[in-house]
Amino acid sequence: DQQVKQNSPSLSVQEGRISILNCDYTNSMFDYFLWYKKYPAEGPTFLISISSIKDKNEDGRFTVFLNKSAKHLSLHIVPSQPGDSAVYFCAASVGGSNYKLTFGKGTLLTVNP
Amino acid sequence: DGGITQSPKYLFRKEGQNVTLSCEQNLNHDAMYWYRQDPGQGLRLIYYSQIVNDFQKGDIAEGYSVSREKKESFPLTVTSAQKNPTAFYLCASEAAKNIQYFGAGTRLSVL
Repeated sequence: DQQVKQNSPSLSVQEGRISILNCDYTNSMFDYFLWYKKYPAEGPTFLISISSIKDKNEDGRFTVFLNKSAKHLSLHIVPSQPGDSAVYFCAASVGGSNYKLTFGKGTLLTVNP
Repeated sequence: DGGITQSPKYLFRKEGQNVTLSCEQNLNHDAMYWYRQDPGQGLRLIYYSQIVNDFQKGDIAEGYSVSREKKESFPLTVTSAQKNPTAFYLCASEAAKNIQYFGAGTRLSVL
C-alpha cells in the first residue's frame, strides 16, 4: 500500500517557466512533509519542508503548498533552470518521536534550455 | 568537512556471500538510516538506529543486518538470505525534524 504517491513519473518544462511537481498521500497521520532532489548516482539532498500547521513554505525559487483536506502537496519551482533537472522525491512523516520517512517514487524533472 | 561517507561506491556479490556496506558520518547525528532504491521506485527503509547500540527494523529488513557500536558508524550487511540484493543502497543521518542527509550511495550487483 503506497502511502505517498507521485503520479507523474516525469515532467518537462522550458527554462524560465514554472515547474509544478505534485504529491498525494493517504495516511492522515502524516504531519510533516519534505521534498528531496536527487541527481543520478548521488544521494538525495534536502530541498524544503512543511509542517501540517502551515499551508505554504517558501525558500528562494522553491515553494511548497499543502492542502490537508485534499491530502495533496505540490512543489513549485520558479523560474526553472536547467540545473534543476533531477528526480524529485516527496516524503512524509508522523510527528513526535517517529523517525521514519515514507517516500514517493519520484518525478523526473527535465528543464530544457 | 562534515558529511556522510559510504563505501565502496560499487560492490559485487557472489552467490551465497555476505557483503558489508560501510556508512560513516562526522555530523554528530544520533539517528542513522539505511534505504534501498530500485529503478523507478522510491526509497524503502531497511533499518534505522536512533542511538548507539540500538536499531530497529524498517519496512524491508529481511536478509539484512546492521550494527551500531559507535555513533559515527552504521554498517549494513547484505546476507545470503537476501535473494534479490541488486539495488542502490543509501545511508542517511538525521539532523532535526526528519531532515535526513544522505551519502552518495553504494551500487550493489550480483555476479
